[in-house]
Amino acid sequence: KAGVTQTPRYLIKTRGQQVTLSCSPISGHRSVSWYQQTPGQGLQFLFEYFSETQRNKGNFPGRFSGRQFSNSRSEMNVSTLELGDSALYLCASSVGERSPLHFGNGTRLTVT
Amino acid sequence: DQQVKQNSPSLSVQEGRISILNCDYTNSMFDYFLWYKKYPAEGPTFLISISSIKDKNEDGRFTVFLNKSAKHLSLHIVPSQPGDSAVYFCPVGGSNYKLTFGKGTLLTVNP
Repeated sequence: KAGVTQTPRYLIKTRGQQVTLSCSPISGHRSVSWYQQTPGQGLQFLFEYFSETQRNKGNFPGRFSGRQFSNSRSEMNVSTLELGDSALYLCASSVGERSPLHFGNGTRLTVT
Repeated sequence: DQQVKQNSPSLSVQEGRISILNCDYTNSMFDYFLWYKKYPAEGPTFLISISSIKDKNEDGRFTVFLNKSAKHLSLHIVPSQPGDSAVYFCPVGGSNYKLTFGKGTLLTVNP
């Protein structure tokens, strides 16, 4: 069974630009979550989608948004990039509540 | 305010000995606790979980202990192996859909 796939693996953007990251969950997993990992803050929850609906949202500004498609694939978008958005963005999928999250290998975003 | 604290940024142990990783949380409503390990350039990998109705869960070399009154959980790895060297996280939450992570503990197992 294929794992969680995130594309691209690496991305370099300039301040003020926007970026879209993609996540394909494990087949059959309908919940997709996004996390940001930075050296100083660890992993921080961004949002979670289930059946194309955002069910939970973390404490991030409105520049961070996401969506989920009918095939459970998800995208997250960051607009008006800032230097502080440089981080590893991790996507995770789950088959249901109390089931472990399965993480992808992340997208490393660098904002210059 | 950190809701999940892993007070030891790093831990070094000898191969074959026990590794004990600790985690403290503040929200008594949390009732689902997990441990993940993460290698560089990879996503976190699930190790073991425990729900609030238990105080211990074992899976091979990994045992998680939960002390609800102290809001404390720990992960024991026995015996430790060099391949266990990684960053360990202890996400906690009310469900799987919004987990709060600590900053992680870097475990180094020396041959």
